[in-house]
Amino acid sequence: GQNIDQPTEMTATEGAIVQINCTYQTSGFNGLFWYQQHAGEAPTFLSYNVLDGLEEKGRFSSFLSRSKGYSYLLLKELQMKDSASYLCAVPPNFGNEKLTFGTGTRLTIIP
Amino acid sequence: SQTIHQWPATLVQPVGSPLSLECTVEGTSNPNLYWYRQAAGRGLQLLFYSVGIGQISSEVPQNLSASRPQDRQFILSSKKLLLSDSGFYLCAWSVRRGRINEQFFGPGTRLTVL
Repeated sequence: GQNIDQPTEMTATEGAIVQINCTYQTSGFNGLFWYQQHAGEAPTFLSYNVLDGLEEKGRFSSFLSRSKGYSYLLLKELQMKDSASYLCAVPPNFGNEKLTFGTGTRLTIIP
Repeated sequence: SQTIHQWPATLVQPVGSPLSLECTVEGTSNPNLYWYRQAAGRGLQLLFYSVGIGQISSEVPQNLSASRPQDRQFILSSKKLLLSDSGFYLCAWSVRRGRINEQFFGPGTRLTVL
């Protein structure tokens, strides 16, 4: 089976940095996805990690440690529009075409 | 470019009434198609998954059903809605590119069962 854990809610200040953690358990690892979902909207793809290390994409970076079953999403220079839920997702086993999503972390940015 | 459409955007239905939600994808062929439900304050729950026409995998027991009559059309149905069927229904498609099987989501249908 698979299990994904993320904090339920986080709050951060505009202009600051925030790290959203995700731990997972899968039968066979085949990458980890991060999605952003604004309230009432569909999730949109942010990043994909399959190898250990940090992937940087503008203000957003995603880190993976396969040995620890751990990932984080790092958001820099926070803007008010970054207020959203951030979903961690993994295929339940290797080669699987499905994704199992965590319950998401609701991030609130305050001025 | 690929686009995914869902309709209706919002729907209010009485308990016991039927349901039909439609999803279509443009700009790609033979996609994997998915139906998810997101209840208020909860994560995305995979309901159905399809790798081709007429091929449907049900992920959770429920009173909903899905059909894929055409390659890029995915329909979610119910004969009699329950209160617990309320939620945000999302259709998604994916195509494998190398090791990545990224999913792209439609705009969603917000269903309220009264």
